[in-house]
Amino acid sequence: KAGVTQTPRYLIKTRGQQVTLSCSPISGHRSVSWYQQTPGQGLQFLFEYFSETQRNKGNFPGRFSGRQFSNSRSEMNVSTLELGDSALYLCASRTTGGNSPLHFGNGTRLTVT
Amino acid sequence: TQLLEQSPQFLSIQEGENLTVYCNSSSVFSSLQWYRQEPGEGPVLLVTVVTGGEVKKLKRLTFQFGDARKDSSLHITAAQPGDTGLYLCAGARRGGADGLTFGKGTHLIIQP
Repeated sequence: KAGVTQTPRYLIKTRGQQVTLSCSPISGHRSVSWYQQTPGQGLQFLFEYFSETQRNKGNFPGRFSGRQFSNSRSEMNVSTLELGDSALYLCASRTTGGNSPLHFGNGTRLTVT
Repeated sequence: TQLLEQSPQFLSIQEGENLTVYCNSSSVFSSLQWYRQEPGEGPVLLVTVVTGGEVKKLKRLTFQFGDARKDSSLHITAAQPGDTGLYLCAGARRGGADGLTFGKGTHLIIQP
């Protein structure tokens, strides 16, 4: 079974631009979560989608948004990029929710210059 | 405020030694998970502990969930170079409905 796929792997953007990251979950997984990983803050929860609905949201500004499609694929968008948005963005899928384990992709490394 | 504090932050030891990594919080979690992450890859789940006082073993790795479900530890016996990586603990509250809260991780290096 294919794992979680994130595209692109690397991205370089300039301040003020916007970016869209993509995530394809494991087949049959209906929940997709997004996390931001930085050396200073570690992994921080952005949001979770389940059956095309945002189920939970972390403490990030409204510039960070996402959506999920009917095939469970998810996209994350960051508008008006800031230098501090440079990070590894990780997507994770799981079957349902609760204590079911997260399966992470290898992330998209975003650099904002 | 970091809800999950991991210690130590960095650890470099020789092959064959034993080590323990700690994950502490003032909050109660419904479950706690441990992940290992290698450079250029996403975290991979090692174990989930759910019951206070629970102990789980995975080959040379022993995981324990505190009685009050506020803390956990990971003990590695006879560490191998292949154990090198970033170890992350993650707690779930409200049955995971709020997403996982991750510690900042322990960077572990096992030198041959």
